[in-house]
Amino acid sequence: AQSVTQLDSQVPVFEEAPVELRCNYSSSVSVYLFWYVQYPNQGLQLLLKYLSGSTLVKGINGFEAEFNKSQTSFHLRKPSVHISDTAEYFCAVSEGGSNYKLTFGKGTLLTVNP
Amino acid sequence: DAGVIQSPRHEVTEMGQEVTLRCKPISGHNSLFWYRQTMMRGLELLIYFNNNVPIDDSGMPEDRFSAKMPNASFSTLKIQPSEPRDSAVYFCASSLRPMEDEKLFFGSGTQLSVL
Repeated sequence: AQSVTQLDSQVPVFEEAPVELRCNYSSSVSVYLFWYVQYPNQGLQLLLKYLSGSTLVKGINGFEAEFNKSQTSFHLRKPSVHISDTAEYFCAVSEGGSNYKLTFGKGTLLTVNP
Repeated sequence: DAGVIQSPRHEVTEMGQEVTLRCKPISGHNSLFWYRQTMMRGLELLIYFNNNVPIDDSGMPEDRFSAKMPNASFSTLKIQPSEPRDSAVYFCASSLRPMEDEKLFFGSGTQLSVL
């Protein structure tokens, strides 16, 4: 069975600093990987996804993630964060053939301070 | 498009009462999902519908939970009787072609508190 581990439950950073949110997954088959963001009192929105091809994936709002198969990781990065990036970020995985079944990590709360 | 619409936004009820959560997916989407979010367990898939038919309900906790999708524009999640441990945020999401990795569109959720 697939699983997702987000190593940090909370990440506080200062505005304009770089940030990396870590995600590791386990699966016995090839996977598709996603990052979703949840702003306060809202539903989740897709930031980016990796299906195949280039291991560096660019998403919305200046975020990018790199798929590393050997380390089974899919870390999310942004070179310079803004106050408006304060939100909860969820890594998710689905296995090929049952793509509808997303398994989510428990989330990382990113707090950007002035 | 108005997006996925859920109602109510907040529900407070007493243990033993019946609770009905409602969802209107995005027009044209043929797949609908119900998720539950708690601090302890994170986001869990409860049930998945495709073309109004339940495909996977393995995440439904127990018989107290039931979900229906009578047509392409409406779904309900019912808890009867409710218990305090059902307190959570319940999300509905819809998608056009999830098997082809089309993204999920989430509603704003229903915050359920069972006293």
